[in-house]
Amino acid sequence: AQSVSQHNHHVILSEAASLELGCNYSYGGTVNLFWYVQYPGQHLQLLLKYFSGDPLVKGIKGFEAEFIKSKFSFNLRKPSVQWSDTAEYFCAVRPLGGYQKVTFGTGTKLQVIP
Amino acid sequence: EAQVTQNPRYLITVTGKKLTVTCSQNMNHEYMSWYRQDPGLGLRQIYYSMNVEVTDKGDVPEGYKVSRKEKRNFPLILESPSPNQTSLYFCASSSQLARETQYFGPGTRLLVL
Repeated sequence: AQSVSQHNHHVILSEAASLELGCNYSYGGTVNLFWYVQYPGQHLQLLLKYFSGDPLVKGIKGFEAEFIKSKFSFNLRKPSVQWSDTAEYFCAVRPLGGYQKVTFGTGTKLQVIP
Repeated sequence: EAQVTQNPRYLITVTGKKLTVTCSQNMNHEYMSWYRQDPGLGLRQIYYSMNVEVTDKGDVPEGYKVSRKEKRNFPLILESPSPNQTSLYFCASSSQLARETQYFGPGTRLLVL
């Protein structure tokens, strides 16, 4: 079975700082990778996804993530965060061909200070 | 508007009193799932359904039941709730053509006393 690790549980940044949230997964085969965001009081929204091709994936609101197959990593980045990026971020993995068997990480709470 | 709805949004109940949380989607999606979200544990899949009358266990199915009699609805049933089922529950759906993109409902916050 697959698993996902997010090592940063709580990150506090000042506005304009750069962001990198770590995500590592374990699975022996090919996977699809996702980052979801949950703003306070709201439901999860898809931020970006990786299926194949270019390992650098660009998502909404200036976020991007890079898939490094050799490191089993899919880290989320943003060059300059805003106060409105305060949210909880979840990395998720789904084995190729799986019937919606999506495994989520434990989440990283990002707090951006104005 | 394309959406996933859940009812109720908030529920306080007592141990052992059967309850049902409804989930409905208006996008004609084949796939539907239930998750629970707990602090420090992230989201864990409870049950999922590939289509009408086709369901399977996720990672934490104990204490829950589901049914999929209609394509749009996927209710979550707690036959005898216990305090360890106090959690935030999310329903999600996706289409067969775009299974990777799940649409999440607004969540149901359940407290079992």
